[in-house]
Order: sequence, then C-alpha cells, then structure tokens
Amino acid sequence: EPEVTQTPSHQVTQMGQEVILRCVPISNHLYFYWYRQILGQKVEFLVSFYNNEISEKSEIFDDQFSVERPDGSNFTLKIRSTKLEDSAMYFCASRDRNTEAFFGQGTRLTVV
Amino acid sequence: AQSVTQLDSQVPVFEEAPVELRCNYSSSVSVYLFWYVQYPNQGLQLLLKYLSGSTLVESINGFEAEFNKSQTSFHLRKPSVHISDTAEYFCAVSATNRDDKIIFGKGTRLHILP
Repeated sequence: EPEVTQTPSHQVTQMGQEVILRCVPISNHLYFYWYRQILGQKVEFLVSFYNNEISEKSEIFDDQFSVERPDGSNFTLKIRSTKLEDSAMYFCASRDRNTEAFFGQGTRLTVV
Repeated sequence: AQSVTQLDSQVPVFEEAPVELRCNYSSSVSVYLFWYVQYPNQGLQLLLKYLSGSTLVESINGFEAEFNKSQTSFHLRKPSVHISDTAEYFCAVSATNRDDKIIFGKGTRLHILP
C-alpha cells in the first residue's frame, strides 16, 4: 500500500538554526500539506501546495517558513531560524482529488 | 471556512462497553468528513470517511459514524471497545473543493478502563 514517508523521524536543533523536514508524498497525488501538532494539542494546518505553488497558508506559516517541491518527488518544509516554540510534531500529507488525505508518521522537532 | 467541535477532551469507558465520541462541524459549503486515530507516539491514521453516498460509514475494526446533515454531526460509535482502542481520535472536515485543506477538531482521548 502506498504511503507518505517523512525523514527524519526525530530532529534536535539549536535555537536559531535552520532545519529542513523532508517528505515523499504518494506518487500520483496532486495536493500536498504540512501540519504541526504541539505536544498534547490539536493538529494545526500550516500550508497547502498545488501545481508547484502555495495554494493556502495559515497565520502560523510566517516568513520563517518555506516549502519546496524540488524534484517532483520530495516535498520539504524549511524553518529558517528555529525558535523554542517551533518544537512540535510536523506531519506531511498528500491527497488526490476528492479523497482523504494520507499522512506520514511525522517528524518530531525539538528546539533546544 | 470550516470548523470542527469535539466537546469531549477525554472519554473514559470500561472495556467491552459501548462508546460514542461526539463531533459537530460548521460549514457554509458541502463537506467531506473524517475520523483519524492517533495511537500513542504514532502518526495519524484514517479510521473512516464520508465522501458521498451512504451516510453510515464503517471501519474494519468495528467503529462506525453517521453523517447527519441536519444536525451537522458525525459522531463516532463502537458497540464494544477493546483495550487496543486506547488512542486520540480526531474528527476532521474539508470542503469539497478539489484541494481544500483538512481542518481538525481538538481531539478526544479514549481511555479504556479494565
């Protein structure tokens, strides 16, 4: 069964450092998303991506965040200068038209 | 914009007892509805979905949910829970636009008592 894969599963970084979270969506899907879940809290939408551009972003997704689909298979989330409050589980998701979203297992980001 | 309300943050229930996890949504347009489950220290897994057709949908592990448009609800039920059902359950909604994001409720933690 096809699945969304995310790497790494856990990343520890120092405050102020840049991090890149990587995702490989399901190959024939068209729509891609990043979500985050702060420990014990709800799953929050960050950004959606379609046809090589951002289609929607939340207020959380400020100038420190960027997304890219560099080679037609990977989908990355970059945080330019991490803050303590960026510590969370980050989920990548992809979907085809009129279907549910498939989620990866997540990357736990710890900013110290 | 869509929103989801899960009023119960935690539901304790005895093993083999029935359970209902409540979900209400708000939307001005047609929606798809989902229940996702998150087992401890794991990712999000789709439990069941309503896209169209029959308003009663079922999962392979005994859960079911019914889309009630008039009450804007999509409650999750199971007639007899097992200890392995211990998890966080998230109700979610998306508009039927082609690429609309999925919006999650705050989640309900199902706590199975022995």
